[in-house]
Amino acid sequence: DAKTTQPPSMDCAEGRAANLPCNHSTISGNEYVYWYRQIHSQGPQYIIHGLKNNETNEMASLIITEDRKSSTLILPHATLRDTAVYYCIVRPPHGSSNTGKLIFGQGTTLQVKP
Amino acid sequence: DTGVSQDPRHKITKRGQNVTFRCDPISEHNRLYWYRQTLGQGPEFLTYFQNEAQLEKSRLLSDRFSAERPKGSFSTLEIQRTEQGDSAMYLCASSMRQGAWETQYFGPGTRLLVL
Repeated sequence: DAKTTQPPSMDCAEGRAANLPCNHSTISGNEYVYWYRQIHSQGPQYIIHGLKNNETNEMASLIITEDRKSSTLILPHATLRDTAVYYCIVRPPHGSSNTGKLIFGQGTTLQVKP
Repeated sequence: DTGVSQDPRHKITKRGQNVTFRCDPISEHNRLYWYRQTLGQGPEFLTYFQNEAQLEKSRLLSDRFSAERPKGSFSTLEIQRTEQGDSAMYLCASSMRQGAWETQYFGPGTRLLVL
């Protein structure tokens, strides 16, 4: 079962910031938070990941709370092409007992509106 | 394009037929994953290869399913005696370990419809 909870859907106005929340209250100390998105009929696309510190790349920013029990993905200036299902995934680091498979939940459907 | 590729992109078959899908990972990636996604759901893990070794199989992978990665490069997923419940998107992802973490890159998927 997925270890994360996300709202099923959100709307955002084009050009505004989209803030997508994720709860992962049972996260362990060495587990990473990953975000992927899936645009209709395409394969999932990696966005960003983090462990403790906030992270930023060309696509988005990831804000992880100090207790690590929740995080927020921020798309600073949403465009219509950002309309997709966004998945928040918690996964342990690769090791002898963990193959690195991703366990997806239902995700959040983000609708960016003109 | 050096991303993950999958072939075919779409497949329509009749119940009881066998189908085979191919995945070509990113060239330097030694890890390869198969997932299945049904309508309205997130992808579900099926199986994992490290090089040519199949190291994990999900309970979703029934006896009718078999996957191979013979030379540690491309992989095939075969479904024998297809059933209507096999209709889904089959996704392949590849990765390379970078320290304690890795990023999986997905292909476009093969959409299977069993009539």
